[in-house]
Amino acid sequence: AQTVTQSQPEMSVQEAETVTLSCTYDTSENNYYLFWYKQPPSRQMILVIRQEAYKQQNATENRFSVNFQKAAKSFSLKISDSQLGDTAMYFCAFMKHGMRFGAGTRLTVKP
Amino acid sequence: GAGVSQSPSNKVTEKGKDVELRCDPISGHTALYWYRQSLGQGLEFLIYFQGNSAPDKSGLPSDRFSAERTGGSVSTLTIQRTQQEDSAVYLCASSADRGVTDTQYFGPGTRLTVL
Repeated sequence: AQTVTQSQPEMSVQEAETVTLSCTYDTSENNYYLFWYKQPPSRQMILVIRQEAYKQQNATENRFSVNFQKAAKSFSLKISDSQLGDTAMYFCAFMKHGMRFGAGTRLTVKP
Repeated sequence: GAGVSQSPSNKVTEKGKDVELRCDPISGHTALYWYRQSLGQGLEFLIYFQGNSAPDKSGLPSDRFSAERTGGSVSTLTIQRTQQEDSAVYLCASSADRGVTDTQYFGPGTRLTVL
């Protein structure tokens, strides 16, 4: 069974600074997908970024980038130039046969 | 509509009553998922539909929970004889197909409160 671990229940960052959220997972699979989702207070789950395990290049979406370490089974999310609107719960997710989510990290961006 | 919609957005019910939660996926999406999110927790997978069939029901917590999907579109999650521990946000997601390439798009959820 796949498990996803987010070891940081809460984090905070000053506006305009950079923050990194950690995620590790456990799997025996070789091909799979990894995602970061954002859930603001509105409760809407929003896809932030995705990474295909067969790709060595780290995915990037504007201010969001990942550090994917396949051997270490690590998938961290870096948010650059943090904005107040980035305040939300962030969930790491693993997908092979169905999707499994981590417990989430609550990120607060302070003005 | 452009996104996944769910209704109602909030539901308060008394212990022992039955409830139905509805999900309208993105038009054309063949895969549909139900998740449960308890307060302050991550998402717990409940059931997955491909078309009208449910090849993966492994996450349903008890036989009080059931779901159906008709016409390859709308899905209904039914909870019978609700218990207080059923209180949670129930999220629905859809994707174009159930492959590892497919991103899931989530609805806004239904917050269920069982008194």
